[in-house]
Amino acid sequence: GAVVSQHPSRVICKSGTSVKIECRSLDFQATTMFWYRQFPKQSLMLMATSNEGSKATYEQGVEKDKFLINHASLTLSTLTVTSAHPEDSSFYICSVGGLAGSYSYEQYFGPGTRLTVT
Amino acid sequence: GENVEQHPSTLSVQEGDSAVIKCTYSDSASNYFPWYKQELGKRPQLIIDIRSNVGEKKDQRIAVTLNKTAKHFSLHITETQPEDSAVYFCAPNFGNEKLTFGTGTRLTIIP
Repeated sequence: GAVVSQHPSRVICKSGTSVKIECRSLDFQATTMFWYRQFPKQSLMLMATSNEGSKATYEQGVEKDKFLINHASLTLSTLTVTSAHPEDSSFYICSVGGLAGSYSYEQYFGPGTRLTVT
Repeated sequence: GENVEQHPSTLSVQEGDSAVIKCTYSDSASNYFPWYKQELGKRPQLIIDIRSNVGEKKDQRIAVTLNKTAKHFSLHITETQPEDSAVYFCAPNFGNEKLTFGTGTRLTIIP
């Protein structure tokens, strides 16, 4: 499988500021990464699919201008929450998928980033 | 959109007994059926998966069974242990690489 890291693991920011979260694939070149959001005691909700070298594909209801995704290399995707508000406080998790040469849809998840907006 | 439901939402089982969680999905295009385990504050971890050309798969104490006609698949855990306590999610795809996570089942193993 793939080893995925995220940074930071926790972040607290003030309302109105922007926060950048990094997702790295440490041992696998990922053409596709996924960003999820998870509120307390709820399921994971897919926010967007990040494609290396092209624009991300956002799920319905997710504001692309608020959640900026950049997948500039095969090992790094970033999610920037712009003008964060308390309702954006959540657990953000990335994953990588589509291992080269594999027919599996298996996804490998990062450890998550807990964002608290005050 | 895609509809993925799990039952039950919570489940308490005596240590050593078996646990079964059912996942019902709506799209007949699904061809990949994984189960993830998530402990509090941690990442989801894949515990078992199955593809649509297989009806059952087993890995030690864990098994998954698939009924494509009825559009549901189930997670079976036998000889449960305290460390099995967690939230379990099914996450079928819908004919593509995206996974849709189910509503989740909180499993508690009673020592």
